[in-house]
Amino acid sequence: AQKVTQAQTEISVVEKEDVTLDCVYETRDTTYYLFWYKQPPSGELVFLIRRNSFDEQNEISGRYSWNFQKSTSSFNFTITASQVVDSAVYFCALSEPGIQGAQKLVFGQGTRLTINP
Amino acid sequence: GAVVSQHPSRVICKSGTSVKIECRSLDFQATTMFWYRQFPKQSLMLMATSNEGSKATYEQGVEKDKFLINHASLTLSTLTVTSAHPEDSSFYICSAIPRSRASVYEQYFGPGTRLTVT
Repeated sequence: AQKVTQAQTEISVVEKEDVTLDCVYETRDTTYYLFWYKQPPSGELVFLIRRNSFDEQNEISGRYSWNFQKSTSSFNFTITASQVVDSAVYFCALSEPGIQGAQKLVFGQGTRLTINP
Repeated sequence: GAVVSQHPSRVICKSGTSVKIECRSLDFQATTMFWYRQFPKQSLMLMATSNEGSKATYEQGVEKDKFLINHASLTLSTLTVTSAHPEDSSFYICSAIPRSRASVYEQYFGPGTRLTVT
């Protein structure tokens, strides 16, 4: 069965520091997608990125970057020059085949990130 | 585009009563909707998969008679928590897959409904 592990339960850094959130996954599928979501205190999930299993290129979007390494089954997320507004819970998720072609998501435990001024 | 709404955003009910939560896709049709539950400081756990016009598929350990799911149209799925108890207090989140992209790995999440059972 699919599994996602976010070993870091909580991280606290000072503003402007760089921070990396780790995500390790397990799957037997050859085709799958990985996701990162941000959940601020309001509770609404904010989609950050989707990466398919055939695309191992790293991606950068502003202060955010993602490192996908299939060899180690990891999909790590780095925030550069962190800001207080980055404080939230971050979830890594993995697609899992569901019924009628729809893909379910398996979520990691989440990492609570606190950026201190 | 691809907006999903939930109603109500917050609800408080007394133990033993039932409460209905609605999940609507506002600008697209969704053949599949998912219902997740999130307890405080925990992750999202999938409860069930809801497909329009058919019975929902429940994850292992989720009581289908307690959590009734109805996906009556391509834009609406409802979750009814029957005979609610304090342990059902949680954050319920729905998501929807656009009909046009049913086999693609996209889900759009609603803002969630916080249920408190007293």
